[in-house]
Amino acid sequence: AQSVAQPEDQVNVAEGNPLTVKCTYSVSGNPYLFWYVQYPNRGLQFLLKYITGDNLVKGSYGFEAEFNKSQTSFHLKKPSALVSDSALYFCAVRDARSSASKIIFGSGTRLSIRP
Amino acid sequence: DAGVIQSPRHEVTEMGQEVTLRCKPISGHNSLFWYRQTMMRGLELLIYFNNNVPIDDSGMPEDRFSAKMPNASFSTLKIQPSEPRDSAVYFCASSTADGTSTDTQYFGPGTRLTVL
Repeated sequence: AQSVAQPEDQVNVAEGNPLTVKCTYSVSGNPYLFWYVQYPNRGLQFLLKYITGDNLVKGSYGFEAEFNKSQTSFHLKKPSALVSDSALYFCAVRDARSSASKIIFGSGTRLSIRP
Repeated sequence: DAGVIQSPRHEVTEMGQEVTLRCKPISGHNSLFWYRQTMMRGLELLIYFNNNVPIDDSGMPEDRFSAKMPNASFSTLKIQPSEPRDSAVYFCASSTADGTSTDTQYFGPGTRLTVL
């Protein structure tokens, strides 16, 4: 079985400071890992994904995420937060072994950036 | 590209009424997903289709819920009869799942359903 955990319901960061949103996963095979962002009253938007290769993945809006196989983590990071980054962030995982496996989303982390 | 289109954007109905939500996936995408989002339960996958065939409906809450995909460009999610606990935002998403792709899902704007 596959699962994904976002241990923090909320993360608060001052504008200009670095931010980290945590994600850990569990899959039987190799993982495909994703980050999505949801702004108020909108659907989820794709940010970035890890498939294979370089453990550091760069995505939209200056976000990046680091795949750590030994810690089964895929934390989302940004060097300098903007107020406009305030939103709900979802981590997701899929087992790469089977094309029939479905993507599992985490419970979401609300990121709040204060001016 | 118009993206995933959902209608209606908002639906208010009374308990016991039938509700039909509609989705048009991105052209060329062959997988379609229906999700439900609530504060209490977060984002739940209800059902997904691949090449118009339902692959996994284990997330459908009960027999009151049904989903169809009669062709590659249209899907419906029906609730009959509706209950207040069905109130949620329902999202449709599509992707190109061909077994070798990496299945980035593209979400529609959602339908906010309120059952009184």
